[in-house]
Amino acid sequence: TQLLEQSPQFLSIQEGENLTVYCNSSSVFSSLQWYRQEPGEGPVLLVTVVTGGEVKKLKRLTFQFGDARKDSSLHITAAQPGDTGLYLCAGEAGYSTLTFGKGTMLLVSP
Amino acid sequence: KAGVTQTPRYLIKTRGQQVTLSCSPISGHRSVSWYQQTPGQGLQFLFEYFSETQRNKGNFPGRFSGRQFSNSRSEMNVSTLELGDSALYLCASSLESAFRHGYTFGSGTRLTVV
Repeated sequence: TQLLEQSPQFLSIQEGENLTVYCNSSSVFSSLQWYRQEPGEGPVLLVTVVTGGEVKKLKRLTFQFGDARKDSSLHITAAQPGDTGLYLCAGEAGYSTLTFGKGTMLLVSP
Repeated sequence: KAGVTQTPRYLIKTRGQQVTLSCSPISGHRSVSWYQQTPGQGLQFLFEYFSETQRNKGNFPGRFSGRQFSNSRSEMNVSTLELGDSALYLCASSLESAFRHGYTFGSGTRLTVV
């Protein structure tokens, strides 16, 4: 079973701060996906990274896939209260299913 | 276009009862997956259906079952409910493969077993 470890588990910061969350595995993944889940809702896909070393930017969010395709990071610049949520990374667990990390709960206070 | 619709949103059942949850995927999506989400275990894969056939199954007991209809709508059933089955059940649809296309999740059904 391929496991994804996310850190930190919980992060509480003030508006305007920068932060990085991590997703690590001992296994190689062909790709990794990042989702954000807000309270009372299902996760929403943010990005898919496919190539080792790949960097993708989505406004203030920067996603990186490790060179060895075993890890990924999400960096948020100048966090806003609207960024609050549970950030989940996911990798393939067979052709058509995903395995998820337990997530990083981010709380951004005004 | 309409998203993934799960019904009901909330459900309270008594231990020993059974429950059926429903999921309508995005139009054109043929893959429907079900996940159980709890604070301690996170998202755990239950099963995936593609064109009315179960294509993958997670490590859950046989009390958990599902099916998919010809219109891609899916249902999951849990029999003989236990307190530990209390969780958020999420349905996710994908065009063909979550690996290639990513999931679109519904808002979930919050099941509470008392």
